[in-house]
Amino acid sequence: AQTVTQSQPEMSVQEAETVTLSCTYDTSESDYYLFWYKQPPSRQMILVIRQEAYKQQNATENRFSVNFQKAAKSFSLKISDSQLGDAAMYFCAYSGANSKLTFGKGITLSVRP
Amino acid sequence: DVKVTQSSRYLVKRTGEKVFLECVQDMDHENMFWYRQDPGLGLRLIYFSYDVKMKEKGDIPEGYSVSREKKERFSLILESASTNQTSMYLCASSLRRTGGLVETQYFGPGTRLLVL
Repeated sequence: AQTVTQSQPEMSVQEAETVTLSCTYDTSESDYYLFWYKQPPSRQMILVIRQEAYKQQNATENRFSVNFQKAAKSFSLKISDSQLGDAAMYFCAYSGANSKLTFGKGITLSVRP
Repeated sequence: DVKVTQSSRYLVKRTGEKVFLECVQDMDHENMFWYRQDPGLGLRLIYFSYDVKMKEKGDIPEGYSVSREKKERFSLILESASTNQTSMYLCASSLRRTGGLVETQYFGPGTRLLVL
């Protein structure tokens, strides 16, 4: 079975600085998707970024980018120029051929003004 | 924009009551999912459905059942609520890609259920 590991439960970053959230996963599949989701306090879970395993190029969405290392099964999220609105819980997730999405336990990111 | 709505934001029920949580999506998605979210445990899949009247057990189906009579609606049923089912319940929907991979999931706002 696939597993997703987010080893850090909490992180903190100074406003305008850069922070990297780590995620590792375990799979024997070659075709899959990886996601980062954001859940602000008391608000809806939304997609931050998505990576398709067959694409070598790392996905980027404005201030958010990933470092996808397929051989190492690592999928970290980099947030540049952190803003107060980035404070949230972030979940890494894996989608494979079993039609399910497997989530990590999440990391709480706080942003210091 | 995809919209996923859930019938209640907050719900308080008594032990032994039958509880219905409803989820509706407006984007004609094939897949629909029910998760529960607990601190320190992340999101755990209860049930999912890839088509009308179809359902598959997730990782923690015990004590729950589901119903999908229409494509846009997916209901989660707690047959006899217990205190250990106090949790946040999230519904999601997604397109289904050929080969079974799940595309981006869109989430509802969640229902915080308290069972007394």
